Amino acid sequence: GAVVSQHPSWVICKSGTSVKIECRSLDFQATTMFWYRQFPKQSLMLMATSNEGSKATYEQGVEKDKFLINHASLTLSTLTVTSAHPEDSSFYICSASQGRGYNEQFFGPGTRLTVL
Amino acid sequence: AQRVTQPEKLLSVFKGAPVELKCNYSYSGSPELFWYVQYSRQRLQLLLRHISRESIKGFTADLNKGETSFHLKKPFAQEEDSAMYYCALTQGGSEKLVFGKGTKLTVNP
Repeated sequence: GAVVSQHPSWVICKSGTSVKIECRSLDFQATTMFWYRQFPKQSLMLMATSNEGSKATYEQGVEKDKFLINHASLTLSTLTVTSAHPEDSSFYICSASQGRGYNEQFFGPGTRLTVL
Repeated sequence: AQRVTQPEKLLSVFKGAPVELKCNYSYSGSPELFWYVQYSRQRLQLLLRHISRESIKGFTADLNKGETSFHLKKPFAQEEDSAMYYCALTQGGSEKLVFGKGTKLTVNP
């Protein structure tokens, strides 16, 4: 149990276009989902925390107008990279939690974004 | 601000040798500490957490509040232990994970 999927697993897009990444909890309801960014050979950096039905909380330095997060249901959160540029190329990973009291995050496989 | 330090980027041992992956943290409150593992081409997964005080795949980790450390240990390393290991913490009551930079463990035959 506790499987998190991401779609797509990789995407290549042109500079200036927008890309949407989906994160789904397949067999549990995720009250909280997290979005991370991982640069090559570096650690995961939390970008934002999203709770179902409310606005996402962004970490310092993350542009909320650039990285739009929507958590419309208990099993789906989306990250949209708007007007993508080459510097947005990275590995984006989501995780999902059943909420306080469980305190364990289940991670998705990640999405490789390449902006040309 | 809370910080997690893993001083070794790379660690290489031979099969059957003991292994210790170091993790130090800086946080003034009472954090919860975790070890996550990422095997080649697989997703990040929880290995163990300090509150469980359990051994997973032969690995143990003890929280030392005096030294602010949470080192991961295994007495006899196996080749299948080769992976990327991340130490992480959450600050009291929060679910937000702060990760260290990770240590790549290679267990040689």
